[in-house]
Amino acid sequence: GEDVEQSLFLSVREGDSSVINCTYTDSSSTYLYWYKQEPGAGLQLLTYIFSNMDMKQDQRLTVLLNKKDKHLSLRIADTQTGDSAIYFCAETNFTGGGNKLTFGTGTQLKVEL
Amino acid sequence: ETGVTQTPRHLVMGMTNKKSLKCEQHLGHNAMYWYKQSAKKPLELMFVYNFKEQTENNSVPSRFSPECPNSSHLFLHLHTLQPEDSALYLCASSLFGTSGKNIQYFGAGTRLSVL
Repeated sequence: GEDVEQSLFLSVREGDSSVINCTYTDSSSTYLYWYKQEPGAGLQLLTYIFSNMDMKQDQRLTVLLNKKDKHLSLRIADTQTGDSAIYFCAETNFTGGGNKLTFGTGTQLKVEL
Repeated sequence: ETGVTQTPRHLVMGMTNKKSLKCEQHLGHNAMYWYKQSAKKPLELMFVYNFKEQTENNSVPSRFSPECPNSSHLFLHLHTLQPEDSALYLCASSLFGTSGKNIQYFGAGTRLSVL
């Protein structure tokens, strides 16, 4: 089945850029997503990218997709303490089971002063 | 506020109790989901409902019983749970079509503790 992997932890200083990485195995993925989960809350969609794109920028967020290597990354510019959270990448494909998201294990981002 | 409301936010129950979790979405979506989130484990999809019909049951034990009376409401009925069922239970909804895009909106979850 599909598999999505992320590193568990990332620590950065306030004001630096954060880069959270994700790898996936499903070559037929059509959409890939980044979600954020703050303590005691559900998952909040940050951004998503269609598989025929290789980059998407939205204010401080930049998503890079390398479809050949099945690698997705999320860059947060000028990281703030409010960005401390768990970040999940997820993928879906349309060929069978199109309304299922496969999530990674999540990367806990800690922003230090 | 995501438009998906879960109640209660916290629940403590004994192993012989029966309780229900409720989820309501005000987004006009046609698909609803139950997930289980345990510490240090990936998010586990439990059930999927499309247009009120259950389309996915990921080998979930029968002590968890979902109910979807309409496309806006989803319940998870709990009966004779085990301590290992303690987790955060998340509900989500989406507008699923034929493009493959499936943006799911999540509720804040119900933190369940089984004693």
